[in-house]
Amino acid sequence: GAVVSQHPSWVICKSGTSVKIECRSLDFQATTMFWYRQFPKQSLMLMATSNEGSKATYEQGVEKDKFLINHASLTLSTLTVTSAHPEDSSFYICSARAGSEQPQHFGDGTRLSIL
Amino acid sequence: QKEVEQNSGPLSVPEGAIASLNCTYSDRGSQSFFWYRQYSGKSPELIMFIYSNGDKEDGRFTAQLNKASQYVSLLIRDSQPSDSATYLCAVSGGKLIFGQGTELSVKP
Repeated sequence: GAVVSQHPSWVICKSGTSVKIECRSLDFQATTMFWYRQFPKQSLMLMATSNEGSKATYEQGVEKDKFLINHASLTLSTLTVTSAHPEDSSFYICSARAGSEQPQHFGDGTRLSIL
Repeated sequence: QKEVEQNSGPLSVPEGAIASLNCTYSDRGSQSFFWYRQYSGKSPELIMFIYSNGDKEDGRFTAQLNKASQYVSLLIRDSQPSDSATYLCAVSGGKLIFGQGTELSVKP
């Protein structure tokens, strides 16, 4: 149980393109979803927290107009990287949890490369 | 500032030995504690979670929690080369507060 599906796994696109990443909880209702990014050999960095039906809460230094998050249902959140540039290339990972003290379950991640 | 501290390692153990991973946390009010395993280039995978003082066992893994000492550990018995990964300790405070991770290497 507790499966989180994330798509796509890999994205390679040109600079200036917008990229949408989907995160779905397959067998539980996720009251909260999280979006992280991770650079090679570095720790996970939380970008934003998303509650169903509410605006996402962004961490300090994360541009909300650059990284658009939508959490339209209890099983789906999307992250859109708008007008992506090479410095946005990274490993983006979503997670979901069923309740405030429940474990976060992670998707497989999306490796984004901007040329 | 809530903090979670882990030895960064690398921790190297021979195959079949017990690997002991340790973690301390600063927020005495923390209620939920998690261990994740992350292979290189992959996303974190939940290994164990523990809410109460004492031990919790699941197969070869045992999580230990001591809230008075603000200490949580993970023991891996009969370590296998496939256990070689980075192990992340995480404490829940609304959002997860991660330690920096301990790199474990199990040598055949």
